[in-house]
Amino acid sequence: QVQLQESGPGLVKPSETLSLTCTVSGGSFSSYYWNWIRQPPGKGLEWIGYIHYSGTTMYNPSLKSRVTISVDTSKNQFSLSLSSVTAADTAVYYCARGFTIFGIWFDYWGQGTLVTVSS
Amino acid sequence: DIVLTQSPGTLSLSPGERATLSCRASQSVSSSYLAWYQQKPGQAPRLLIYGASSRATGIPDRFSGSGSGTDFTLTISRLEPEDFAVYYCQQYGSSPPITFGQGTRLEIK
Repeated sequence: QVQLQESGPGLVKPSETLSLTCTVSGGSFSSYYWNWIRQPPGKGLEWIGYIHYSGTTMYNPSLKSRVTISVDTSKNQFSLSLSSVTAADTAVYYCARGFTIFGIWFDYWGQGTLVTVSS
Repeated sequence: DIVLTQSPGTLSLSPGERATLSCRASQSVSSSYLAWYQQKPGQAPRLLIYGASSRATGIPDRFSGSGSGTDFTLTISRLEPEDFAVYYCQQYGSSPPITFGQGTRLEIK
């Protein structure tokens, strides 16, 4: 059974960098797209970006200038870095596996981790 | 940017009834590039339908998806108590490559 688990600080100060890691277990790391998706409290879902196991990345243009997603295939982990955070970046952050049949769809998700931006 | 608009915002129905949820795109979306997710409180979303009409693994056949162009529909044929949740549509396409609708809340009447 594929499992994803987010880890990282739950509180980040304004203007600092948010860093999260997702550890994948129970399945192959190759041939998939590894995604970060966030959800502000009480609101909808926003796709942040993905990294393919090969290292190819794609980011949401609205966040592109502040986002970096990296991968460590030796550890079956991928990471999110979001710089210059503000209160608007407060959200539950999910990592999710994307499989591709025509499009990219998210079949396995982490449980999510709440990150609060506050001084 | 392709914007997905879901309607209604909230749908109140009783168990056993049929639910019809709509997702309208601001530009034409290939029918292969539309998915539906279910999210319950405190949980991650769960993939229900991809490619507009293909059920994901383990999804009951009371869930079905249809549509093309700019209009897509998720139908739940007979509501079970566990189906009351928030539903999101998602498209894969041009920039940004992945977007979600704002969600439809399906509540018990």
